[in-house]
Order: sequence, then C-alpha cells, then structure tokens
Amino acid sequence: ILNVEQSPQSLHVQEGDSTNFTCSFPSSNFYALHWYRWETAKSPEALFVMTLNGDEKKKGRISATLNTKEGYSYLYIKGSQPEDSATYLCAFMTGNQFYFGTGTSLTVIP
Amino acid sequence: EAGVTQFPSHSVIEKGQTVTLRCDPISGHDNLYWYRRVMGKEIKFLLHFVKESKQDESGMPNNRFLAERTGGTYSTLKVQPAELEDSGVYFCASSRTGPLGNTEAFFGQGTRLTVV
Repeated sequence: ILNVEQSPQSLHVQEGDSTNFTCSFPSSNFYALHWYRWETAKSPEALFVMTLNGDEKKKGRISATLNTKEGYSYLYIKGSQPEDSATYLCAFMTGNQFYFGTGTSLTVIP
Repeated sequence: EAGVTQFPSHSVIEKGQTVTLRCDPISGHDNLYWYRRVMGKEIKFLLHFVKESKQDESGMPNNRFLAERTGGTYSTLKVQPAELEDSGVYFCASSRTGPLGNTEAFFGQGTRLTVV
C-alpha cells in the first residue's frame, strides 16, 4: 500500500497571508507528482504536474517545489485571497496510476 | 472539448438495492480511473481501465462492485447489493496515454451516493 500524506489537514489564514502545505510520498518508483485544487461542489482541477527532482512550477500566486529523493513536495500560496479557499490534493503517480493524499483544506478569511 | 461527465450526480438508495454509476471520459482518453471518497477520508483508488481492459482493480472493495468499459468508451460501476458503508462520492477521471508521468488526469463532477 502506497502512503501519500499531506499536512496540515486544514488551515485557516487571513487574507493577504502567505501559506504553504506539504505532500510526502514514496521516494522509489517515482513517475510524477500532481497537485490538484478541489473547490466544494466541483471536481478536482489540475494545478501542476511535476516530474523532475528540483522542479519548481508557478501559476500566478501559487507555486510548488519537488524533491523526489526525499519524497516531498511543497505548495506555496503568496498573498492568499478568499477565492483560494479549497482543498488542495497531491497525487503520487507510479506506473500509470495515481495515489492521492487526504488533502489540505484551506480557508482564507477576508 | 467536453470534459469528463458522470451520471447521476446524486443517488439515494436503500440498503440492498442496486445502483449503476456511469462515467463518460474525454474522447480519446485511453485511461479511465474510478475513485471513491468516503466522508472525512482520503480519496481511494478503485480501478483503472486502459481502453476496455482492466489494468488494475486492486482497489475494488469486494465482489459487490462491478465495473465495465465496453468498447473502451464510457464506463459503468455497479454496486449490488448496496450497503451503508458504500456511501460516498464516486469520482471518475480520464487521461491520455502519454510520456510516463506527464499525463494530467481530468476529473468528473462525481456521483454522491447515499445508501440508507
């Protein structure tokens, strides 16, 4: 059984604060690490697909880093806004299969 | 391009009844995945189709669950007979077959199943 862990489980931040969360995954048989954003009543939407150790990806105020040797990825949100409130899921990909973490639920308070 | 669609969006059934969930993947996506999220818990893998073949069904909880993907297009997931613990949100996702690791999965809206 593959273990993908995310922390913290939930987070409340004030509008304008910057924040980050962690995804830990097995360091062997790594193919890719995906980050998804999941808003309530919608389906998960891909943020980043990361494949190389040391990868750093950015989309607006959101960025992510990847360390495949030690098995972790960080997701950063700079200057959080209320519309950033969502559950952020990471998924470890090995072979052609995804293993999801439990998600980090972010609430940004106006 | 149409996204992944799932039907129904909600289903409430009694324990012991049968329910069939349907997933239409994005056209041209060979990979189709079924996942389940039980309230307050992580998303759990159920199974993976490549075209019409079951690549991996190790996540199927028991023989009350049957998944098919006839012709490699849409897929159905039947639960018969349904039990209370089957309640949750069932997600379907599809992806192309591409360079290993570099294929994004697209999710449907999910089917919320409630067994009472």
